[in-house]
Amino acid sequence: ETGVTQTPRHLVMGMTNKKSLKCEQHLGHNAMYWYKQSAKKPLELMFVYNFKEQTENNSVPSRFSPECPNSSHLFLHLHTLQPEDSALYLCASSQDGAGGPGELFFGEGSRLTVL
Amino acid sequence: AQRVTQPEKLLSVFKGAPVELKCNYSYSGSPELFWYVQYSRQRLQLLLRHISRESIKGFTADLNKGETSFHLKKPFAQEEDSAMYYCALRGYNNNDMRFGAGTRLTVKP
Repeated sequence: ETGVTQTPRHLVMGMTNKKSLKCEQHLGHNAMYWYKQSAKKPLELMFVYNFKEQTENNSVPSRFSPECPNSSHLFLHLHTLQPEDSALYLCASSQDGAGGPGELFFGEGSRLTVL
Repeated sequence: AQRVTQPEKLLSVFKGAPVELKCNYSYSGSPELFWYVQYSRQRLQLLLRHISRESIKGFTADLNKGETSFHLKKPFAQEEDSAMYYCALRGYNNNDMRFGAGTRLTVKP
């Protein structure tokens, strides 16, 4: 596998379920991101991890819980979601250095439907 | 606050015609501007960034700080240019990349 891989590609869950989205990058990058893409809004940045440390959290509800165990893996834990959380969740990575953040490389996304 | 505005949701041109996708931004500091593209059934990918000042697939974009714009242009559109285009902004040395709503470009034969 190369690039940024997201699993599962599709997920349907009830409001009381707990599930997780997984992202893995094979690019040797040191920063990873979660974005939300819904039909009515632009891509929204949710979380950023730099060297496994969370550096951005754009006022995301606590029902979304990120986890970055190492620089290659990123999870988004989901619990007690609402129907309006149904969206495409995109993972991205970048190589950040002295010159600043690098280009974002995106995964194909996980399509989440909350019933 | 950072904001990116793409005023056109849809844009349709004929093959060989010039195309311009508009992008305006607001940002109080020194911005970095990008264009990302998503072709059908492919993932979102970088097309070009203003600091590179290069032409990719015939597309160019010039940062106009006076007008706070970063419009994407191509003199002769091709059918394979049909895609969703997103303008994006982040502050210098900042991971917070903000995207516009996107413009769907259709190039007709």
